[in-house]
Amino acid sequence: AQSVTQPDIHITVSEGASLELRCNYSYGATPYLFWYVQSPGQGLQLLLKYFSGDTLVQGIKGFEAEFKRSQSSFNLRKPSVHWSDAAEYFCAVGATNAGKSTFGDGTTLTVKP
Amino acid sequence: GAVVSQHPSWVICKSGTSVKIECRSLDFQATTMFWYRQFPKQSLMLMATSNEGSKATYEQGVEKDKFLINHASLTLSTLTVTSAHPEDSSFYICSARAGQNYNEQFFGPGTRLTVL
Repeated sequence: AQSVTQPDIHITVSEGASLELRCNYSYGATPYLFWYVQSPGQGLQLLLKYFSGDTLVQGIKGFEAEFKRSQSSFNLRKPSVHWSDAAEYFCAVGATNAGKSTFGDGTTLTVKP
Repeated sequence: GAVVSQHPSWVICKSGTSVKIECRSLDFQATTMFWYRQFPKQSLMLMATSNEGSKATYEQGVEKDKFLINHASLTLSTLTVTSAHPEDSSFYICSARAGQNYNEQFFGPGTRLTVL
């Protein structure tokens, strides 16, 4: 069975500082990996995804993530955080054929001025 | 990009009534749609997978008679919460997948259900 762990429930960073959100997954084959962002009361917006190929993927809003098979990780990074990045972030792993995804518990990002 | 809408965005109903939530793919045909439930400050819990023209597949622990799912066309899936009770109050989110081999899901904006 696939699973996702986001070890950090809540992270606070200062505006302009760098950010890294951790994600570890468990899946028997090559996973499809996703990062989503959710603002309060809203649906999910896809930041980036990894299916295959280059292990460093670029997403929207200046985010990037690196797939490390040896560590079963897919950490999300941003070099300089903006106040508008404050939100809930979810990592997800998808099965190759079934299409459905399993989500981590999420990390709440707070940005200090 | 692919757009998924949900209607209504929020609904308040009395205990014992039924509520229907619509999920539409606006600019693509969705062979598969997913329904999720999200409690405050928690993750998304998959309730069921809905394939056009066939019965939905429910996740373990989800009452199929309580949460009726219909996927009558390639652009519309509905979730009906029957005989709603306060414990059914939640944020319901749908997502749609464009093809069998296309793993990316496009999410709707969600529907906030409050049962009094």
